[in-house]
Amino acid sequence: DSGVTQTPKHLITATGQRVTLRCSPRSGDLSVYWYQQSLDQGLQFLIQYYNGEERAKGNILERFSAQQFPDLHSELNLSSLELGDSALYFCASSVGRGAFGNTIYFGEGSWLTVV
Amino acid sequence: AQTVTQSQPEMSVQEAETVTLSCTYDTSENNYYLFWYKQPPSRQMILVIRQEAYKQQNATENRFSVNFQKAAKSFSLKISDSQLGDTAMYFCAFISGYALNFGKGTSLLVTP
Repeated sequence: DSGVTQTPKHLITATGQRVTLRCSPRSGDLSVYWYQQSLDQGLQFLIQYYNGEERAKGNILERFSAQQFPDLHSELNLSSLELGDSALYFCASSVGRGAFGNTIYFGEGSWLTVV
Repeated sequence: AQTVTQSQPEMSVQEAETVTLSCTYDTSENNYYLFWYKQPPSRQMILVIRQEAYKQQNATENRFSVNFQKAAKSFSLKISDSQLGDTAMYFCAFISGYALNFGKGTSLLVTP
């Protein structure tokens, strides 16, 4: 158990809908990262937050957004969903401001299926 | 741009044997970190081993060790005494800034 908690574990929704994925980082970790894992794109970094502020952006679509709350949990919002958004979405956390010098621990992921 | 290349999409090894997974990366940075993550069928990402670029000594964690060649930008993972539970996807990953960049992965099958 990495200590990173993600909910829901599985989610099926229709095209055009909006979903929210939730993540609680490990106790004491201030950084939260979101990754998308799909068959054709592999593991893609989406976005990182540190102590409530956005720190880095990767290949995140405009239809996607995220935030980190004062209690440090984070939510990833996916809207206007398309079939191609079906993927495993990972949340990860680390102690420091960025990944550099820190070990990143992953949650078990949220499986999103868009039908 | 930082890139990570794993040239072996699939590998197979017999139980108790040794296997080496390859990884190369491209960066202009001098200080960075490299990782190997394991993803078993459960799909969870599990940290296997970590290497800091400024350390010349190769990292070792029990049956897992790395061969880090900084000049060649190579970072291979050696699994000794392979066990059935080692069956998984293995991802090489690289940090130089804010986040991990992953290779495409190597699917390792350990057979009895």
